[in-house]
Order: sequence, then C-alpha cells, then structure tokens
Amino acid sequence: DTAVSQTPKYLVTQMGNDKSIKCEQNLGHDTMYWYKQDSKKFLKIMFSYNNKELIINETVPNRFSPKSPDKAHLNLHINSLELGDSAVYFCASSQEGSGGYNEQFFGPGTRLTVL
Amino acid sequence: GDSVTQMEGPVTLSEEAFLTINCTYTATGYPSLFWYVQYPGEGLQLLLKATKADDKGSNKGFEATYRKETTSFHLEKGSVQVSDSAVYFCALSGRSNYKLTFGKGTLLTVNP
Repeated sequence: DTAVSQTPKYLVTQMGNDKSIKCEQNLGHDTMYWYKQDSKKFLKIMFSYNNKELIINETVPNRFSPKSPDKAHLNLHINSLELGDSAVYFCASSQEGSGGYNEQFFGPGTRLTVL
Repeated sequence: GDSVTQMEGPVTLSEEAFLTINCTYTATGYPSLFWYVQYPGEGLQLLLKATKADDKGSNKGFEATYRKETTSFHLEKGSVQVSDSAVYFCALSGRSNYKLTFGKGTLLTVNP
C-alpha cells in the first residue's frame, strides 16, 4: 500500500500554463508538506499544513497556491508557469506530537518541466 | 535560523570501503536529527533518526550519533555496497516547527 502518493509523476508543460499536482496520504497523519528539489538536488520547504490549516509559507511566489480539502490531501496549483519552476516537487506527511520529533514520510515526487 | 551543513560530494568508494559523511547543524533548542536517502529516480526515505543528545540512530548497517557538544550527526557505514549508491541528506527538525531543514545532499557512488 502506498503511504504518500502523488500524481502525476511527470508533468511537461509550456510557460504560462496553469497546472496542478495532487498528493494523498493514507497514514492518518495530520500534517502535510510540499518541498521543491532543484536541479542540484537541494530540498526546500514550500508549504506546511496542519489539520487543513496553512502553517508555513516559505516565501513562495503567489503563483503557487496549496489547497487542503481534508487532512489526507494536499494539492498544489501553479499559475502562469515559468522556466524556473522546473524542479521535482515532493509531498510529505507527518503526525504532530509523535514523540517530540517530526518524522516525515515522502511521496515519490513529481518532475515538472516547463518549456 | 536553523541550518544544516554536510560535506560536499560526490563521494566515490569501492565496495566494502568505510563511509563517513559529515553533517553539522545550527539550531535553537534541541532539534531532532535525521538522515534521509534518495535512490536514483525515487523519493526520500528515512534512513535513521535521533531525537536527543547521545542517541545513536542505526539502520541497514548505517549509524549516526547525535553529538550536542560538536553539533554533529555524522553518517557512517563500515562496509558499503553497490546498492548504497544514492544521495544522502542530513536534516533537522525543531520541536515546535513544522518543517525539515535539509543539508545540500551528498551523492555517493559505490563501485564494484
């Protein structure tokens, strides 16, 4: 059973388009995240949601809008795609209060290529 | 703010060689520390973790000890295998925040 799943796995699109990436977790966790991994493999947090509430927004452009319809889903919508948005986007989840540490479980990633 | 510094790669070793990947951190309070591994074309998997000073995390022959005095969490393995070839990330999480802060990753290649 897949714990954290993302769709699509690959996304190729033209500059200026709008696209969405979906994430679902079946672990019963209450916190979900989006990370961006650039071409040099550097990983950086974008957003964090706890019980459907946005708690972290790390200076991400307004073109990126996360949406959490329920605790098991966190989707990422990107407007007016730019070349610099090309990256691998990872979704993750964790359970708050799990022994005082934040073990996160990651999805397989979505490779976004903007042409 | 929190930060993680890990040794620059790439690291290339022969099978059965000893591996060390250095990781040091800067954080307020007492963070939890993690090593994640990313195999080619895959997402991140938790390799091991430590939540307090002097804790030793271990998994699949890998070990790392939480050293508060040197703010370090170095990853070691006594005898690497070709299948260990991957990118390794050191990360920390503060106790009251909701994010992982990652190091830049170290690419390990193990040759037969």
